[in-house]
This record gives sequence, C-alpha cells and structure tokens, in this order.
Amino acid sequence: EIVLTQSPATLSLSPGERATLSCRASQSVSSYLAWYQQKPGQAPRLLIYDTSNRATGIPARFSGSGSGTDFTLTISSLEPEDFAVYYCQQRGNRQYTFGQGTKLEIK
Amino acid sequence: QVQLVQSGAEVKKPGASVKVSCKTSGYTFTSYYLQWVRQAPGQGLEWMGIINADAGTTYYAQKFQGRVTMTRDTSTSTVYMELSSLRFEDTAVYYCARSGRTTGTYWGDYFDPWGQGTLVTVSS
Repeated sequence: EIVLTQSPATLSLSPGERATLSCRASQSVSSYLAWYQQKPGQAPRLLIYDTSNRATGIPARFSGSGSGTDFTLTISSLEPEDFAVYYCQQRGNRQYTFGQGTKLEIK
Repeated sequence: QVQLVQSGAEVKKPGASVKVSCKTSGYTFTSYYLQWVRQAPGQGLEWMGIINADAGTTYYAQKFQGRVTMTRDTSTSTVYMELSSLRFEDTAVYYCARSGRTTGTYWGDYFDPWGQGTLVTVSS
C-alpha cells in the first residue's frame, strides 16, 4: 500500500499570507495525486486533480505541483474561508489512499 | 447538477449490520463508478471500496473484505453499502463519492462530488 505523509500537521497563518502544504508518497504515484478541502461537519471537496488541475469552480489562488513522490498544494493569498483541513489522495493499482491531513488554522 | 444524497444517521449495536444508501441524480448513473470512504471521529479518510454502477462489479479494500457489500439499483440510481459484524471502531461518517467513467481505462483518479455523509454509531 502506498502511504501518503502530509506536512506540516498544523499550519498557522494569517489571511493574505501564502500557504504551502506538502504531501510525500512512499513510492511514485506518477501524476495521480489529488487534493481536497474539508471544513467541520462537511464532506471533502475536490480542489486539485492529477497534480495540478483545478476542479470546477475552484479559485485560481489554489495551485498544485509536483511529480513522482513529492507534491505541493499552494494557496497564494489566504482568504478567511480557506482555513480548513486539507487531504491529499493517490490512486494506485486497485487501491486509493489519503494522507493524514494538514490543518490550516488562523494565526 | 450532479448530486449524491445519502440516508440518515444510524445507531447500531455491536455485531449488527448497517446499510447506507446513496441516491444519485444529475447524470447518467451507469456511466460512472461510485466509491465509499469513511472517516472516524476526528480522524482522516479511509477508502473502503468501489462499485461499477453499470456492471455492478465491486472491489473492496482488503481491510473490509468479508464484511462489506456494495450493491446498486439502476432503476433508482442508488448505490448501497452494507457493513456487517459491526464493532465500536466502525463508528464513523460514511461517504459515497463519484469517480471515473465506467467506459474508461481505470476506476478514476479522484472523487467528485461527495455525498453529505452518514454517521453510523456503534454503541451498546
């Protein structure tokens, strides 16, 4: 099973700042890496798929990059509604796994 | 628009079974795979398995094999997930989510959209 490790576990920033979230895979996942945002009491929402493609309706301040085993989600300038938990997810051979999440909190 | 609407919260005793439904709308039901993911309280996301809404074929994560059954009803565009022999640690929110096209080369790379979630509580 491919293990995804996200860092940091918690990120404390202020609105307007830049956020950089990391996701590292235990083996290559090619470009099959997605990112989700989850707010309390809500289902996850797809932000980025296939490493760098924004899902429908996702603002341009969200961007994804990386390849192989190292991936990054960047939020260029934080808005108040961006404070949430973020998960990465990979699809392997007949299995899917998620990272443990990064909590983005207001500083 | 594409919508996945799940059944309501359940409370079950250890050893019992639970069946959660996920009714879809806004697209051709048989054109996509549907997946199930769960989230224990305060924890991360855990993939459970997948169903081909067209053929009805399934694949389950190893952890749940023997305890989970996923089915679909094409007449109502609904998928079901039944989990048996419930344990306290099965207390979680269970989500359905759409993934890839059934005519594609793989099950899909990601999950979008998701149902609203169904809380299953296992309590004596």
